[in-house]
Formats: sequence, structure tokens, C-alpha cells
Amino acid sequence: QKEVEQNSGPLSVPEGAIASLNCTYSDRGSQSFFWYRQYSGKSPELIMFIYSNGDKEDGRFTAQLNKASQYVSLLIRDSQPSDSATYLCAVNNDYKLSFGAGTTVTVRA
Amino acid sequence: GAVVSQHPSWVICKSGTSVKIECRSLDFQATTMFWYRQFPKQSLMLMATSNEGSKATYEQGVEKDKFLINHASLTLSTLTVTSAHPEDSSFYICSATLGLAGDPGYEQYFGPGTRLTVT
Repeated sequence: QKEVEQNSGPLSVPEGAIASLNCTYSDRGSQSFFWYRQYSGKSPELIMFIYSNGDKEDGRFTAQLNKASQYVSLLIRDSQPSDSATYLCAVNNDYKLSFGAGTTVTVRA
Repeated sequence: GAVVSQHPSWVICKSGTSVKIECRSLDFQATTMFWYRQFPKQSLMLMATSNEGSKATYEQGVEKDKFLINHASLTLSTLTVTSAHPEDSSFYICSATLGLAGDPGYEQYFGPGTRLTVT
């Protein structure tokens, strides 16, 4: 069983729409959760992290965490072509990050 | 702040040779550095965790004699791929952190990656 699973892509959304990305994790002891964006050929860059149940907003991005359901999501509002990338969900257990396979998002102009 | 560099950014080597990749935290002292490998269309896989002055901790399935890690200082870790083979061709990414494992916002800062091609 994979530790971190993300909804399979690719996900195609029109410019200006909301992109919704989902992630589930298997270890109930996981402490914090990260969303990274990775452009092709580049290393991941942090979008945001969340460690408390509920929502956390940062600009056009909102992360949602539900520890009871072992579920974390990322919403991208007003999607822009520059948001086209692969989004990686990462879960922190102690000091190590476990990454999901990623969801590729394409924003259509 | 929190910039991590890697050198080289890409390297081509012949099968059987060794390649060294450097990872540096430029503006902070990293408590821990990590080495990841990413094959095309796949996610990042942690190879090893490195702390200054101590032996690296390797993930299951990673050959420690093949992937030598040296953490000489709080700002420098190196990964040496020994006797490289074509199947070692991959994108190698390091990260560094200055936080403690129990910190809620424990963040890893990623280097730009090194593309290794073994011919």
C-alpha cells in the first residue's frame, strides 16, 4: 500500500477556473503536510504547508486538512496558465517526507 | 533566504566511472540534508538522510556502497555515485532543513537538482 496517494491526472482546467487536487495518506501519526509544485525538469518548490485540521489560505491557494479522514487537498483559484505543472503532496513523518506520485495540471488559456 | 545549490546541474559520464554531486545550503546552516532521486514521470524517492559529522541513514533498497554520502559541514553534503551504470541515470535532488523534526512547519528547501546521464 502506498503511503501517499494522489488523484490521478492529468487534470485540465480552463483559465480562471478552480483546480482541485486531492491526497490521502496512510500513517495516522503524520504530523504535517506539504504541497509542492514542480515544473518539468525542475526541482519542487513549496506552495504551502498545513498541520492543523481545517483550511489554510495563501493567495489563490487553499489547503484543507482532515486528519480523521487522512485527507488533504489543495484548491487553486483563478487558475492561470503559469499554474500548469505537476503538484506533489508530501507528508512529514518525523523528519522524512513521503511524496505522492503527483497530479499534472494543465490550465487551458 | 534558505537557498540550496547543487553542482553540477547536469553531468554525463561513462559507465563504470564515479560522479560526485555537491549540495550546499548558501545562507543557513542545515541541521539535516536529504538526497532524493526522481526517474521520469515518477515522484521523488528519498535515498538517504545526512547529518553533519555522522554516517548517512539510507532508505531500504538503496546501496550505501554505491551511493556514498559525505556530510563535511553544516552547509555541504556530497553524493558520489560509484561505478555508475545506465540505470543510475536520473534526476538527483538534495534538500536541506534548519528546523527540528517536531516543528509543525518543518520545511525542506530543495536544490535545483542534478541530471545524471550514464552512457
